Amino acid sequence: GQQVMQIPQYQHVQEGEDFTTYCNSSTTLSNIQWYKQRPGGHPVFLIQLVKSGEVKKQKRLTFQFGEAKKNSSLHITATQTTDVGTYFCAGFTGGGNKLTFGTGTQLKVEL
Amino acid sequence: NAGVMQNPRHLVRRRGQEARLRCSPMKGHSHVYWYRQLPEEGLKFMVYLQKENIIDESGMPKERFSAEFPKEGPSILRIQQVVRGDSAAYFCASSLMLADEFALDEQFFGPGTRLTVL
Repeated sequence: GQQVMQIPQYQHVQEGEDFTTYCNSSTTLSNIQWYKQRPGGHPVFLIQLVKSGEVKKQKRLTFQFGEAKKNSSLHITATQTTDVGTYFCAGFTGGGNKLTFGTGTQLKVEL
Repeated sequence: NAGVMQNPRHLVRRRGQEARLRCSPMKGHSHVYWYRQLPEEGLKFMVYLQKENIIDESGMPKERFSAEFPKEGPSILRIQQVVRGDSAAYFCASSLMLADEFALDEQFFGPGTRLTVL
């Protein structure tokens, strides 16, 4: 079945440093979504990418969808303590209404 | 506009008991999804329902687990004869639209039910 892996699994950064998480799918995706889950909380939708090579920005967050539509990345510039949480990518293969979530990257930001 | 509501937020059961988890989707949403999350892990799709229909239950264990989304009332995830391995956070999500060939609509998640089996 479809697998969606993320690396790294954990990342500790100092406040102000940049952070990147990478998402790789075993199959081609129709689209990719990104969610953030704070500790003890629930996933919150961040963004959706649909087009090959698409790049979208939300303030300090930059999202990219690979040319082959099998990988994606999320980059955070100058992290803040409010960025703490686990970031999940989730892929849709177009064959139904099911999202396959990645394994997640847990970000910790230290002052 | 209330978000997705789940109750109870925490549920403790002894082995062999039944667990019933409820989910009320956002107003106007007719698509409900259930996910299971083990500690320190990602979300695993369990089932996708529309009103009175199970559309995709490919992620749900064949035994002891069932889900429904009746015409009236919340969606229910039911776990019979719980075992310790069922301990997890169960999240419900809802969306407004069907997928087209390119994209799936944004999913709004509820706060989850943390199930602990003693």
